[in-house]
Amino acid sequence: DQQVKQNSPSLSVQEGRISILNCDYTNSMFDYFLWYKKYPAEGPTFLISISSIKDKNEDGRFTVFLNKSAKHLSLHIVPSQPGDSAVYFCAASVDGGSQGNLIFGKGTKLSVKP
Amino acid sequence: GAGVSQTPSNKVTEKGKYVELRCDPISGHTALYWYRQSLGQGPEFLIYFQGTGAADDSGLPNDRFFAVRPEGSVSTLKIQRTERGDSAVYLCASSLNRLGAPLHFGNGTRLTVT
Repeated sequence: DQQVKQNSPSLSVQEGRISILNCDYTNSMFDYFLWYKKYPAEGPTFLISISSIKDKNEDGRFTVFLNKSAKHLSLHIVPSQPGDSAVYFCAASVDGGSQGNLIFGKGTKLSVKP
Repeated sequence: GAGVSQTPSNKVTEKGKYVELRCDPISGHTALYWYRQSLGQGPEFLIYFQGTGAADDSGLPNDRFFAVRPEGSVSTLKIQRTERGDSAVYLCASSLNRLGAPLHFGNGTRLTVT
């Protein structure tokens, strides 16, 4: 029973366009959400996070949107660059950001084509 | 500065053998985490240390798995009587002990049980 779901295993986008990665969750107790990026043979790297008291958080080209009523969040990357090609994981926590126990989705592989 | 270091990077062992996986966290990070990532899945939480003590070991799959962090720095994940289903990438992460502090992952140890 997956509590964090990334239903698109892969996404292909042209360089310069917007990439939108989606994530759905089932546990209404989740109060902190994060996105991690992973290159092959490397560990995941933290990208951006959002608390459940907000509906948007922006950091440079990356913006995360949270829709609590729909239990849905998305990561927008604008403009997309070839170096953004990686696997993106959505993760959630019930610890208010203390991150003791993160629940990860299965990931979405993003390919940005030049 | 140095990131999280995990050794070995690859480990091949026979079914039934004992293995130890080592993690050197970032200096000054009091929180340390072990996750396991199987093929096609997101990282799965195993155990979380705050200092020397295991604050949450609810993710350990069974009593063949054990982890220690005797001096509050280096941690060792120990797996007894390995099974083929234990084959996965074992990821270690560390973080500062404050809300919202991101997890910094190592590159993982790829364990293959033959």
